[in-house]
Amino acid sequence: DVKVTQSSRYLVKRTGEKVFLECVQDMDHENMFWYRQDPGLGLRLIYFSYDVKMKEKGDIPEGYSVSREKKERFSLILESASTNQTSMYLCASSHPGQLYGYTFGSGTRLTVV
Amino acid sequence: GQQLNQSPQSMFIQEGEDVSMNCTSSSIFNTWLWYKQDPGEGPVLLIALYKAGELTSNGRLTAQFGITRKDSFLNISASIPSDVGIYFCAGQLSDYKLSFGAGTTVTVRA
Repeated sequence: DVKVTQSSRYLVKRTGEKVFLECVQDMDHENMFWYRQDPGLGLRLIYFSYDVKMKEKGDIPEGYSVSREKKERFSLILESASTNQTSMYLCASSHPGQLYGYTFGSGTRLTVV
Repeated sequence: GQQLNQSPQSMFIQEGEDVSMNCTSSSIFNTWLWYKQDPGEGPVLLIALYKAGELTSNGRLTAQFGITRKDSFLNISASIPSDVGIYFCAGQLSDYKLSFGAGTTVTVRA
């Protein structure tokens, strides 16, 4: 069964910590995405990558960075975590030209205290 | 990114009811998608629509791609308890990016 795997389901971090959220896909997809999900706001795109070592800012990149050293892995980095980054983070992947949208991971619920 | 207006924001269902939700946009999309998210999980694709006017079913779910390409609706017939969750519409323009609605939260009426 093909999947997108996010390394942690729940994380609690302290303000100011550097936080790494990891995502791995086994579908050989070129495109990978990081979203955050907040009640009433839906899914907002943070960053995406359409190839190894390539990255593009999404709609809300401030306070985040990403790394894609290998095709299957896309990491989201919170350089200095703040309480307003408490959220559900969703990773997704897709293949160029794929007409079926994205495949999502199960999400990481991050709490910054 | 483009903003999709999804309504209603929330709804209560009673088993056996038919329910409907819709999504509108000021922008034209080439593809409309509907996802469902169960508690504690990521969204899962329910239905994908590729042509204006297209009507597609998946079991008790029916979705339509609006003629103007700026809207879509999703109907659920004969609701059952496992239909609860958050339903998202999404519009796709390019290979890379989807724009999502804010979601419709479906819960069971007590």
